[in-house]
Amino acid sequence: QKEVEQNSGPLSVPEGAIASLNCTYSDRGSQSFFWYRQYSGKSPELIMFIYSNGDKEDGRFTAQLNKASQYVSLLIRDSQPSDSATYLCAVNIGQTDKLIFGTGTRLQVFP
Amino acid sequence: DAGVIQSPRHEVTEMGQEVTLRCKPISGHNSLFWYRQTMMRGLELLIYFNNNVPIDDSGMPEDRFSAKMPNASFSTLKIQPSEPRDSAVYFCASSLAPNGNTIYFGEGSWLTVV
Repeated sequence: QKEVEQNSGPLSVPEGAIASLNCTYSDRGSQSFFWYRQYSGKSPELIMFIYSNGDKEDGRFTAQLNKASQYVSLLIRDSQPSDSATYLCAVNIGQTDKLIFGTGTRLQVFP
Repeated sequence: DAGVIQSPRHEVTEMGQEVTLRCKPISGHNSLFWYRQTMMRGLELLIYFNNNVPIDDSGMPEDRFSAKMPNASFSTLKIQPSEPRDSAVYFCASSLAPNGNTIYFGEGSWLTVV
């Protein structure tokens, strides 16, 4: 089992819709969870991080964490074509600084 | 403040040659990470340092790969000898530990081995 798993997509949504991206992880001791966005040919950039169970909102983005189910998700409201990118889920393994990434989900927002 | 700086940005080399990638982390950060990204395997952690000390090198693919961090502001990743399967984007990233802090990526070094 991979340490961090994501559906590779592509996930296609119309402009203005909600995009839902999901991620599962294997290490129950993990404490910190991150979502990064990567445009083609660019480096990953942080969108959000979440440490506690529940929801965390930042503008059009909401991260959701369920440690019991070892599940973290990212919702993008009012999706825009500029949101088209690969979204990477990242998890600190145990209580270390080791940050492991999923393979990413490619999101396509069409006009 | 300057971000993570990597060099070279692009390198094309012949199989068997030595390749050295360089990284300058964000000033004040005490953790440094080397990742490799390919279409097939995604973003893989090769090695990370904390306070210039290698903490976990379990992701280093084989003995051809080595990494050093002689001081807080400089790190190298060396491949010797290089092989075509090493072709990838190599990212350096840094963070301010302890665990749970955001890591910030450099722009990457695009390596092609022919």
